[in-house]
Amino acid sequence: EADIYQTPRYLVIGTGKKITLECSQTMGHDKMYWYQQDPGMELHLIHYSYGVNSTEKGDLSSESTVSRIRTEHFPLTLESARPSHTSQYLCASSARQDTGELFFGEGSRLTVL
Amino acid sequence: KQEVTQIPAALSVPEGENLVLNCSFTDSAIYNLQWFRQDPGKGLTSLLLIQSSQREQTSGRLNASLDKSSGRSTLYIAASQPGDSATYLCAVRRYGGSQGNLIFGKGTKLSVKP
Repeated sequence: EADIYQTPRYLVIGTGKKITLECSQTMGHDKMYWYQQDPGMELHLIHYSYGVNSTEKGDLSSESTVSRIRTEHFPLTLESARPSHTSQYLCASSARQDTGELFFGEGSRLTVL
Repeated sequence: KQEVTQIPAALSVPEGENLVLNCSFTDSAIYNLQWFRQDPGKGLTSLLLIQSSQREQTSGRLNASLDKSSGRSTLYIAASQPGDSATYLCAVRRYGGSQGNLIFGKGTKLSVKP
């Protein structure tokens, strides 16, 4: 069973606020990812990390930033939230040397008013 | 550019039926294909992963097949139950590009009626 946790699950916030979505995994996975999903649409990769101090942007452009200071922690930050940032954000992880199976958290649903 | 298509977009069946969900992809150069289940407002639960060298994988009432040459995968669900109601997503991992970047389909929303 996957052990990857996201907080908050739901967040409603006003325009211009700074927000951080937390993601932690207890599986010791090196690789971590952030996906964005709009209702009824595909998931798109916005950030990924191969390990500590390694972060890369994904295929979908995003104004968010990420950091990877510890293996188990991969937070996503929006410095100034806008209504266009309203979406579901899903965190995932996978082991470096394995089949490549991804395990996802429960997601963080962000609404910016 | 890899594109993943899932047909049908929605499916409603009575309890007990066997059913097949379809996934097609445009580029056969894939590393693996993964099927997920997503409940409303929740994250994704991994169901089955098929490596490019494999033809099928089975887990309980689920069986997934992969035909790379035709760019197709199917997810077979035997003896469906109301608890199977969810959106089923397939995703392919391509060689190269953003490592670990799965290309997702939009999913098939399954409803199993009691």
